[in-house]
Amino acid sequence: AQSVSQHNHHVILSEAASLELGCNYSYGGTVNLFWYVQYPGQHLQLLLKYFSGDPLVKGIKGFEAEFIKSKFSFNLRKPSVQWSDTAEYFCAVNARTGRRALTFGSGTRLQVQP
Amino acid sequence: DAGVIQSPRHEVTEMGQEVTLRCKPISGHNSLFWYRQTMMRGLELLIYFNNNVPIDDSGMPEDRFSAKMPNASFSTLKIQPSEPRDSAVYFCASSFDRGIDGYTFGSGTRLTVV
Repeated sequence: AQSVSQHNHHVILSEAASLELGCNYSYGGTVNLFWYVQYPGQHLQLLLKYFSGDPLVKGIKGFEAEFIKSKFSFNLRKPSVQWSDTAEYFCAVNARTGRRALTFGSGTRLQVQP
Repeated sequence: DAGVIQSPRHEVTEMGQEVTLRCKPISGHNSLFWYRQTMMRGLELLIYFNNNVPIDDSGMPEDRFSAKMPNASFSTLKIQPSEPRDSAVYFCASSFDRGIDGYTFGSGTRLTVV
């Protein structure tokens, strides 16, 4: 079975600070990896995704993530956060083959203080 | 495209009543997913359909929950009878080909059972 762990449940940063949110997954085969963002009161929106190729993927709004296969990790980063980045961030995984749907992590709530 | 459309946005009902949530996926998407989001359990997959056929319903909590997809443009999630512990935000998402490219989420239905 596939699973996702997000170790940081709540992160508080000041504007312009750098961000790194951890994501580790558990699955024996090849996976697709995603980061979604949920702004307060809104639905989930795709930030970025990894299927294959360059393990460093760039998404919208200056976010990027790095896939490290040996560590089963897909950490999300942003060099300088803004107040508008306050949201909840979800890592998700699904198997490249088979019929499994996306499995989401428990989410990390990011609060950026002005 | 208007995106994934869910209705109603908010539903308040009394325990024991039947509740029906509705979803219209993005035209051309052939996979549809129902997720439930709570503070305690995060995002849980309830069921997903591919080409209108239920593929994985292992996340459906119990027999009180049922889901249908009579055609490619409409799905319902029904709870009968509803209980207070069913209170949550229910998201519908759709994708092409089981989500290789990620899912598009609807705005959700916030269900409160009193």
